[in-house]
Amino acid sequence: KAGVTQTPRYLIKTRGQQVTLSCSPISGHRSVSWYQQTPGQGLQFLFEYFSETQRNKGNFPGRFSGRQFSNSRSEMNVSTLELGDSALYLCASSWGTGGVSGNTIYFGEGSWLTVV
Amino acid sequence: LAKTTQPISMDSYEGQEVNITCSHNNIATNDYITWYQQFPSQGPRFIIQGYKTKVTNEVASLFIPADRKSSTLSLPRVSLSDTAVYYCLVALFSVGYNKLIFGAGTRLAVHP
Repeated sequence: KAGVTQTPRYLIKTRGQQVTLSCSPISGHRSVSWYQQTPGQGLQFLFEYFSETQRNKGNFPGRFSGRQFSNSRSEMNVSTLELGDSALYLCASSWGTGGVSGNTIYFGEGSWLTVV
Repeated sequence: LAKTTQPISMDSYEGQEVNITCSHNNIATNDYITWYQQFPSQGPRFIIQGYKTKVTNEVASLFIPADRKSSTLSLPRVSLSDTAVYYCLVALFSVGYNKLIFGAGTRLAVHP
């Protein structure tokens, strides 16, 4: 059974540009969540989608947005990139709402974003 | 709001048992605790998940006391390949929303 797949794995962008990251969840999983990981801030929750609806959102500015498609695949977009957005962006999927009632969250390998 | 606290780093030797504790205040009755392992340049890998008392699988055990204010990941007989960062994750569940809170991670170094 294929795991969570994220594309691209590595990318470099310039300040002010925007970026879109893609995530394909494990087959049958309906919940997709996104996280930002940096050395200084650790793993921080961005948002979670379930059945194309955003269920919860972390404390990030509106430049960070996402969406989920009917096939549960998800995209995350960051507009007007800043140097501080350089990070590993992780996508995770779970059958139901992640972490609740034993719905285990499984992570992808991440997308490394460098903003120059 | 719940917050999780873990030791920043730990050292051990091959063959020893390692216990990593995560403190999490204010988690609600329905909240689960999950532990992940992460190697450099990889996504976190699921280790174990629990709700109360004790859970054991083929790689680890998870102990959760009755007050649920902490949880302890136990790795029996660690090897060099267990050198990694270990995160605890608490899911705060309330009707209509779910908020996931990670600990800062514990860097485990296993020595020969």
